[in-house]
Amino acid sequence: DAGVIQSPRHEVTEMGQEVTLRCKPISGHDYLFWYRQTMMRGLELLIYFNNNVPIDDSGMPEDRFSAKMPNASFSTLKIQPSEPRDSAVYFCASSLVVGGYTFGSGTRLTVV
Amino acid sequence: RKEVEQDPGPFNVPEGATVAFNCTYSNSASQSFFWYRQDCRKEPKLLMSVYSSGNEDGRFTAQLNRASQYISLLIRDSKLSDSATYLCVTFNAGGTSYGKLTFGQGTILTVHP
Repeated sequence: DAGVIQSPRHEVTEMGQEVTLRCKPISGHDYLFWYRQTMMRGLELLIYFNNNVPIDDSGMPEDRFSAKMPNASFSTLKIQPSEPRDSAVYFCASSLVVGGYTFGSGTRLTVV
Repeated sequence: RKEVEQDPGPFNVPEGATVAFNCTYSNSASQSFFWYRQDCRKEPKLLMSVYSSGNEDGRFTAQLNRASQYISLLIRDSKLSDSATYLCVTFNAGGTSYGKLTFGQGTILTVHP
């Protein structure tokens, strides 16, 4: 099992550019989560999906952020336009109905 | 008030010491509880689940007090490799947020020789 796969591992972009983060969950997991981690705020849940359907997106900071899950094996988190305050590590995680999450290695985003 | 609160530390202890971390949660719909460990610049990883009866995994002991909404983690005989951030986590079993894990800010532990 390859685990949760995220890409890219690192992303440096200029303010105003579009950024797309990608995630492949573990096969068979029902839930997929997008988290953002910063020193100031810790791990924050942005959005999560159950069986490809968004369940709770109340953590999405603003309209610049959007997430999709077109099928059970792929999800994207898009930021358009990006701003320096979006700089953080973005984690994707997947899980079965009840149980611990498995996190991906994260995408370290720097917006300059 | 944060839904899951932890003392951020840092805790600096010598090898061989016993150290305890505490955590409180405010959401009474929380059904399951976990401790995660996060190494520097790595993803969080599940350390252990927490049960009402208390549970042990080697040098690690976790306790849950539902009445007080309080969770603890005890590490005995600390090793250098235990240095990490320890995250207290609750699982939401109620309402529209079923399946959601909520993380505390984490407690930083440094074990020194």
